[in-house]
Amino acid sequence: GAVVSQHPSWVICKSGTSVKIECRSLDFQATTMFWYRQFPKQSLMLMATSNEGSKATYEQGVEKDKFLINHASLTLSTLTVTSAHPEDSSFYICSASRSDTQYFGPGTRLTVL
Amino acid sequence: QQQVKQSPQSLIVQKGGISIINCAYENTAFDYFPWYQQFPGKGPALLIAIRPDVSEKKEGRFTISFNKSAKQFSLHIMDSQPGDSATYFCAAIQGGSEKLVFGKGTKLTVNP
Repeated sequence: GAVVSQHPSWVICKSGTSVKIECRSLDFQATTMFWYRQFPKQSLMLMATSNEGSKATYEQGVEKDKFLINHASLTLSTLTVTSAHPEDSSFYICSASRSDTQYFGPGTRLTVL
Repeated sequence: QQQVKQSPQSLIVQKGGISIINCAYENTAFDYFPWYQQFPGKGPALLIAIRPDVSEKKEGRFTISFNKSAKQFSLHIMDSQPGDSATYFCAAIQGGSEKLVFGKGTKLTVNP
């Protein structure tokens, strides 16, 4: 149990376009989901905490207007990177919380040309 | 300020050997300590976790040792295998919070 999926697994887009990444908890309900960004050979950097039915809480330095998060149901959270630029290229990972434990999705590789 | 310090940054072990990764923390409000394993291009996977009320937890070849007074915990991988080659992250969660505080990770290479 505790499976989290992400879609797409990779995406390439042109600069200036928007990209939506979905995170789903497949076999449990998650009131809280998290979005992370990971640069090569580095640890995970928390971007925001997503709570079902309420606004996301963003970490300091993360632009909330650029990284739009929606947690519409107990099994789905989405991250939209708006007006993407090459510096937004990264590995984005979501997690869903159950009983003090975070279960991570497989990640989405975003490349902005 | 790094709240969870992890060492070493990289580790090379021969097949069959013991891999040891150490973490230290300052915040005594942390009350849950998970370890995650991450393969290249994949998300982290929960490996094993411990709470401060026990000093050791073992699951198969993986053991967490916890020293509450020293505010240190470590992961031991017995009989290390090439398939264990991955990056390992220790983490901590403060009571009442759901946010994970990660160490910087240890890249483990197990040579055949």
